[in-house]
Amino acid sequence: AQKITQTQPGMFVQEKEAVTLDCTYDTSDPSYGLFWYKQPSSGEMIFLIYQGSYDQQNATEGRYSLNFQKARKSANLVISASQLGDSAMYFCAMRDGGSNYKLTFGKGTLLTVNP
Amino acid sequence: DVKVTQSSRYLVKRTGEKVFLECVQDMDHENMFWYRQDPGLGLRLIYFSYDVKMKEKGDIPEGYSVSREKKERFSLILESASTNQTSMYLCASGRTGLFTDTQYFGPGTRLTVL
Repeated sequence: AQKITQTQPGMFVQEKEAVTLDCTYDTSDPSYGLFWYKQPSSGEMIFLIYQGSYDQQNATEGRYSLNFQKARKSANLVISASQLGDSAMYFCAMRDGGSNYKLTFGKGTLLTVNP
Repeated sequence: DVKVTQSSRYLVKRTGEKVFLECVQDMDHENMFWYRQDPGLGLRLIYFSYDVKMKEKGDIPEGYSVSREKKERFSLILESASTNQTSMYLCASGRTGLFTDTQYFGPGTRLTVL
């Protein structure tokens, strides 16, 4: 069964606008962590933000925030004030107690920021 | 800064060749991982290692083997390369113990098998 679902293969946003990238997850473990990574065209995976299942507040890191809705099992990434350099693939990933050290990744969303 | 390096950014090999992809990390991480990335499929785990000489199969281990003789180095081996192994290969490393810890990725190796 797919653990991480990213339903948007591609998204477009105008520079300076905000954009939300969707991620839903599936786990029966009460302890889990959710990660978002950015992959520019150069190929390296860059860690952006983390949300733990017991965290009371939504995670934020600069222009990135995570809209965590535990009951709906969603962990959407919000990028505020988009920049041209935000154009990249974005991956949502999860680690839960059953997967030990491993991360399970979604299929990714390709974000294009238009000038 | 954590650094994960991979031996090649681009590699072209012929069908049937034995291929070695090398990964080195400089942060004394216990865990190392090899992923394969294909368009529309995301990242899929091939193998991971949680200690020297220890390894576990990931989701798609068929056609691959690994070696970890030193803590900092993790090698992916294609015993007899095939065209369906043309892909982007990403190595990662991470610590044991903290649930919140991210994995750190290398720049990737784009392998083409002709």
